[in-house]
Amino acid sequence: QVQLVQSGAEVKRPGASVKVSCQASGYTFTGYYIHWVRQAPGHGLEWMGWINPKSGDTKYAQKFQGRVTMTLDTSISTTYMELSSLRSDDMAVYFCARLDIWGHGTMVIVFS
Amino acid sequence: SYELTQPPSVSVSPGQTARITCSGDALPKKYTYWYQQKSGQAPVLVIYEDSERPSGIPERFSGSSSGTMATLTISGAQVEDEADYYCYSTDNSGDRSYVFGPGTRVTVL
Repeated sequence: QVQLVQSGAEVKRPGASVKVSCQASGYTFTGYYIHWVRQAPGHGLEWMGWINPKSGDTKYAQKFQGRVTMTLDTSISTTYMELSSLRSDDMAVYFCARLDIWGHGTMVIVFS
Repeated sequence: SYELTQPPSVSVSPGQTARITCSGDALPKKYTYWYQQKSGQAPVLVIYEDSERPSGIPERFSGSSSGTMATLTISGAQVEDEADYYCYSTDNSGDRSYVFGPGTRVTVL
């Protein structure tokens, strides 16, 4: 069936980087944009950006420009989201989504 | 930056109709998507392209859009519909940036 499987929880120090993966299965990987969305504890959903798996084109939310990088490995139908210079307020659950199908989320803890 | 506006909460009794609004200047020209999120779970798409319902979503969920306001309607709300609901759309700039509304907590009791 169509699904997005994300990598496991991460614990990082402030200032470090985190790279979350999202592997697609059950559909043509290059046919759908992948969006990345995060949700801090007790807060709403926040759009971070998208990547086009067919072209590699990306669009990032202005808030994350310069800190976020979204990449692909089409050989394994996987998208990556890397966030650098982590701060305590980056602690959140990070989701990848095909708009209609979402990954289960990856918890990123920023802990000094 | 572009923003969508939603009421923070809506409360209805079981069997009543819940209406959740989403306002945004670009909505006359851009589609709205609606997501349901229950505690501790990933969001679920309940309406796409203003008024289309994905397969598996109960018929009591419907969407509409007029002018700068989109509306998600739950006709005959059930206790299991208690959740946070988010609208999602793009702005008019053409650069395909997306934004979520702040979310509406729907209580059915």
